[in-house]
Amino acid sequence: GESVGLHLPTLSVQEGDNSIINCAYSNSASDYFIWYKQESGKGPQFIIDIRSNMDKRQGQRVTVLLNKTVKHLSLQIAATQPGDSAVYFCAGSSGNTPLVFGKGTRLSVIA
Amino acid sequence: SAVISQKPSRDICQRGTSLTIQCQVDSQVTMMFWYRQQPGQSLTLIATANQGSEATYESGFVIDKFPISRPNLTFSTLTVSNMSPEDSSIYLCSAGSQGETEAFFGQGTRLTVV
Repeated sequence: GESVGLHLPTLSVQEGDNSIINCAYSNSASDYFIWYKQESGKGPQFIIDIRSNMDKRQGQRVTVLLNKTVKHLSLQIAATQPGDSAVYFCAGSSGNTPLVFGKGTRLSVIA
Repeated sequence: SAVISQKPSRDICQRGTSLTIQCQVDSQVTMMFWYRQQPGQSLTLIATANQGSEATYESGFVIDKFPISRPNLTFSTLTVSNMSPEDSSIYLCSAGSQGETEAFFGQGTRLTVV
């Protein structure tokens, strides 16, 4: 089955620096991944997604990189801001199966 | 993107009682799911809510404890039955359509069982 996990439970960065959050997955059949941001008291908010036929996808201040060889993906946040402080989850699926979520990384931005 | 509304947003319930959580989507969606998120942890899928048929439950979750309804393509309910303090958690509804790339979430229902 699918298993998605994160390398680090917490990450502290200085405001203005870039943040990198990592995620590993176990199911080589996984073909779709999403990064979510969850602020306290709220539901997960979609940030960016990527399909397995891509290695990289960019959004506004965010980039997701997918390395299928080692089953790893990362979320890069450029010029991290205090409003980026939250818990970030990666989630993956294969075909039409429901998303499986990783454990989450808490990002703290130091002003 | 779909807008998902959950009710109630929070509740405090007595053990042994049941609570029904409602999930309303502002557009027709193919797929609706219910997740549980225990404090400080990730999301765990409870079940897929199927329109017009019984929900599909994940390992560790059973219909008697978490009955689910989905009468149409925009609405679903999750009932937490015979509650105990161990059921204290955040319950989240999500929705999406086959072929779409995004799964959207409601704001969650924070349940405390005393």
